[in-house]
Amino acid sequence: QVQMVQSGAEVKKPGSSVKVSCKASGGTLSNYAISWVRQAPGQGLEWMGRIIPRLEIVNYAQTFQGRVTITADKSATTAYMELSSLRSEDTAVYYCARPHYSGSRPEGFDYWGQGTLVTVSS
Amino acid sequence: QAVLTQPSSLSASPGASASLTCTLRSDINVGTYRIYWYQQKPGSPPQFLLRYKSDSDKQQGSGVPSRFSGFKDVSANAGILVISGLQSEDEADYYCMIWHSSAVVFGGGTKLTVL
Repeated sequence: QVQMVQSGAEVKKPGSSVKVSCKASGGTLSNYAISWVRQAPGQGLEWMGRIIPRLEIVNYAQTFQGRVTITADKSATTAYMELSSLRSEDTAVYYCARPHYSGSRPEGFDYWGQGTLVTVSS
Repeated sequence: QAVLTQPSSLSASPGASASLTCTLRSDINVGTYRIYWYQQKPGSPPQFLLRYKSDSDKQQGSGVPSRFSGFKDVSANAGILVISGLQSEDEADYYCMIWHSSAVVFGGGTKLTVL
């Protein structure tokens, strides 16, 4: 069974950075497009970008361009999302998600991590 | 104007059917898009329900009951999620999604109340 396990909750100061991880249990993420989606408290879903490690493809949403960096480790078992210059509006639950099928074709998200709460507060 | 617009809330009775709409911005044609639907309950990540582009290009999520189905209203430029035989457990937030200009776009979500 596919499971994506994310790192734990974080509390950060405004202006700092946060790095959230997403590990595939029982396999590699290498051939899959791993997206990051966030959800502010009481708000909707917002896509941040995606990575396909084997193809070395990274796409970012315009809203986050320049502030977000999505990477994967060399073994491609873990993906990371780093968000910099944090502000209070970045307080949200951050999810990783991937399609059922591998490849770069645009697909929906069949599998989701459990979510990581990032709180930005002075 | 938002790319995808969903009504913020909808109420329906147990056993009835509910139609949740996802209206695309007027300059983009619903006919060319796969529309994805997700259900989210409090404290949980979204769950993929189904994908619908046409009757020949659709996919149900794993384990998702057939009472969840997708359609399009071309005249309204909208995707529609129909939930038939509503149950109390269907009370949740529902989001539509498309890929547009190489990026994912979500609708604002509809809170479905079953009462």
